[in-house]
Amino acid sequence: DAKTTQPPSMDCAEGRAANLPCNHSTISGNEYVYWYRQIHSQGPQYIIHGLKNNETNEMASLIITEDRKSSTLILPHATLRDTAVYYCIVRLQGAQKLVFGQGTRLTINP
Amino acid sequence: NAGVTQTPKFQVLKTGQSMTLQCAQDMNHNSMYWYRQDPGMGLRLIYYSASEGTTDKGEVPNGYNVSRLNKREFSLRLESAAPSQTSVYFCASSEQDYYGYTFGSGTRLTVV
Repeated sequence: DAKTTQPPSMDCAEGRAANLPCNHSTISGNEYVYWYRQIHSQGPQYIIHGLKNNETNEMASLIITEDRKSSTLILPHATLRDTAVYYCIVRLQGAQKLVFGQGTRLTINP
Repeated sequence: NAGVTQTPKFQVLKTGQSMTLQCAQDMNHNSMYWYRQDPGMGLRLIYYSASEGTTDKGEVPNGYNVSRLNKREFSLRLESAAPSQTSVYFCASSEQDYYGYTFGSGTRLTVV
């Protein structure tokens, strides 16, 4: 699986959009980009995933660059409850293992 | 509520003791996983089971054994606990590799 690079920490004001970047320059054509988050030592929570098209669900939007070497997770209106560690993971379709890195610690400030 | 249930939630063991961590899912998922998370670290895969009757090693399998008892249950056993196994253990399940994992709430294990 391709390695990902994320900033160790970010801050965002409550009510603003939180944009979390992820670099995955060695991604291959059949590897998906997944985002998970972990709130306060709870079990990680699936957020969204995509292959090459931008994706949106009730939680977030995922923007993948045309060359697929980077992506951005967007939380459109961040709340205090969005404070968490966010993990960007690249995973080959068919691979069983989900490999977690260090993630980005996002703090939403009032 | 549907999901992944882990028991116990907390456990303290003495070095050398054994115990089994239990995990059950009610979503009819084929695949199940055990991860550990040390303080300030990301999750590391211990073992996984792609389907009932199969198990495979992950990144850090030493000191652990697993049993896929049936489609619902996947247990993790520590035969002789060591302080280095102090960690939070998460179980997860998934339907197909395309979809996201569902994680349990974790077992916080301390070995003294």
